[in-house]
Amino acid sequence: AQKVTQAQTEISVVEKEDVTLDCVYETRDTTYYLFWYKQPPSGELVFLIRRNSFDEQNEISGRYSWNFQKSTSSFNFTITASQVVDSAVYFCALSETTTGANSKLTFGKGITLSVRP
Amino acid sequence: EAGVVQSPRYKIIEKKQPVAFWCNPISGHNTLYWYLQNLGQGPELLIRYENEEAVDDSQLPKDRFSAERLKGVDSTLKIQPAELGDSAVYLCASSLGYSYNEQFFGPGTRLTVL
Repeated sequence: AQKVTQAQTEISVVEKEDVTLDCVYETRDTTYYLFWYKQPPSGELVFLIRRNSFDEQNEISGRYSWNFQKSTSSFNFTITASQVVDSAVYFCALSETTTGANSKLTFGKGITLSVRP
Repeated sequence: EAGVVQSPRYKIIEKKQPVAFWCNPISGHNTLYWYLQNLGQGPELLIRYENEEAVDDSQLPKDRFSAERLKGVDSTLKIQPAELGDSAVYLCASSLGYSYNEQFFGPGTRLTVL
């Protein structure tokens, strides 16, 4: 069975600090997809990034970067120079392809990030 | 392009009352999902539709929960009768259906059962 663990529950940083959100996953599939979503106080989950299991290249998008390491089953998310608008709950999620239930997402419990001015 | 629309945004009912939530997915998205999100938790899948067909309802408590997507577009999720433990946020999402496709979420309906 697939599982996503986000061991950090709450993180508080001061604006402009860098912060890394950890994600560890478990799956028996060789082909799978990993996602990060952001849930601001308004409640709507916003898609941030998708990674497939065959692409271990790190990705950078502005202040956001992602580090995918299959050897440790981790898909960590770093925000550089954090801003108050980054305050939200961040979810890591896993989608398998061989369970007979394509496109089912398994979410972690989320990490609440608070960025103080 | 309009996003996933859900209504109502908030609902307060007394236990044992029925309640229904409505969702209109993004145009062209054949796959629709209903998730339950408890406080401090990630979303958990209740049911997934491919067009009109419920292809995964293994996590739906069928004794009190029901859902339908009659024309393969919008969908309704119903609880009858509601229990105190049903208080949560009910999220609807849609996608193009494949494992690599991101899901687009609506704002959710926050249900409070008194």
